[in-house]
Amino acid sequence: EVQLVQSGAEVKKAGESLKISCKGSGYPFTSYWIGWVRQMPGKDLEWMGTIFPSDGETKYSPSFQGQVTISVDKSISAAYLQWNSLKASDTAMYYCATGAFGEYFDYWGQGTLVTVSS
Amino acid sequence: EIVMTQSPATLSVYPGERVTLSCRASQSIGSNLAWYQQYPGQAPRLLIYAVSTRATGIPARFSGSGSGTDFTLTLSSLQSEDFAVYYCQQYNSWPRTFGQGTKVEIK
Repeated sequence: EVQLVQSGAEVKKAGESLKISCKGSGYPFTSYWIGWVRQMPGKDLEWMGTIFPSDGETKYSPSFQGQVTISVDKSISAAYLQWNSLKASDTAMYYCATGAFGEYFDYWGQGTLVTVSS
Repeated sequence: EIVMTQSPATLSVYPGERVTLSCRASQSIGSNLAWYQQYPGQAPRLLIYAVSTRATGIPARFSGSGSGTDFTLTLSSLQSEDFAVYYCQQYNSWPRTFGQGTKVEIK
């Protein structure tokens, strides 16, 4: 069974750094693209970016390029989403999701709620 | 970046009705379109990919059609569990992009 298990909710202050995680199991982790999707409170889904674990190739949405960093640790089948300096506008639910071809997302994590206070 | 526009924003329907949701791309995306369903407080779920191929376990009352720039998701005979928000997503080019969603609510 494919599972993506995300790290727990975070409460941070503006300007702080943060790295959230997503651990995959039940599928060939290095062969499936894994990506991140933002959903601000009461809003729609926003595609942030994705990474191919096998070679680290990464694609970002221009809206998020330079604002976040997506990375993986193949040794533990984990993907990460990282901020160096959080803003209040980063408050949102963040989902990791995976799919075989980097096209659509077959499987989703449960979401990580990030709350940033100013 | 391809912009995906969904309409309407909200649909109010009775259980048992048939509904059609629209998704339009700002440029041709061929058949590279997926649909997702999301309940409040839950992660989205893949319904359909390649315009009309249902994902594993998705019932036949969900169907998709279209090509190029105009696409539809049809829900025949709405069940109580179908009241949710539906998103389309293109995967013809990077970055992938979602539509803003259509909420299907009980009338």
